[in-house]
Amino acid sequence: NAGVTQTPKFRILKIGQSMTLQCTQDMNHNYMYWYRQDPGMGLKLIYYSVGAGITDKGEVPNGYNVSRSTTEDFPLRLELAAPSQTSVYFCASSPQAVSYEQYFGPGTRLTVT
Amino acid sequence: RKEVEQDPGPFNVPEGATVAFNCTYSNSASQSFFWYRQDCRKEPKLLMSVYSSGNEDGRFTAQLNRASQYISLLIRDSKLSDSATYLCVVNINTGGFKTIFGAGTRLFVKA
Repeated sequence: NAGVTQTPKFRILKIGQSMTLQCTQDMNHNYMYWYRQDPGMGLKLIYYSVGAGITDKGEVPNGYNVSRSTTEDFPLRLELAAPSQTSVYFCASSPQAVSYEQYFGPGTRLTVT
Repeated sequence: RKEVEQDPGPFNVPEGATVAFNCTYSNSASQSFFWYRQDCRKEPKLLMSVYSSGNEDGRFTAQLNRASQYISLLIRDSKLSDSATYLCVVNINTGGFKTIFGAGTRLFVKA
């Protein structure tokens, strides 16, 4: 099992550009999550999904969109990138919510200039 | 007040030392608790879940005090490889789902 994979590993965007961060898991987990981590800060939940076709907002959803058409994939879309979106983005998955371990991907380091 | 608070450290300890981290949470609807470890520029990985009865995994012991709303992690006989950031994580289920990560406590173990 590859676990949770994310692409790209690094990306530099100009202000106003758009991009999609890819996330795939091969563990057949129902729950998937997107977090961002700013330097010296805890992870903040952007969006999560409880299964294919179902998504919901987390703590900091503004400026992002997600979709979940399959169990395996959970892409995160940034529209009109802003410097405030410079961060490290982690995707995670878990078999269920709340009481279960989350498995994280290696992260995408995004810089918006 | 932050929902999950940790002492940011850093904690600088010699090899073989015992070190303890505390974490407080503010939401009484918090349902499950975890300690994750995050190495520099890497993803978080689960260290251990935290149960009300306390639990131990080798050199690591986790405790939960629901009345006082805090969680602790004790590391005995510290190794150089224990150097990392330790994240306190709380899951809250109040009809909706919410996971809160603490900002982390940095640990440096020195020879």
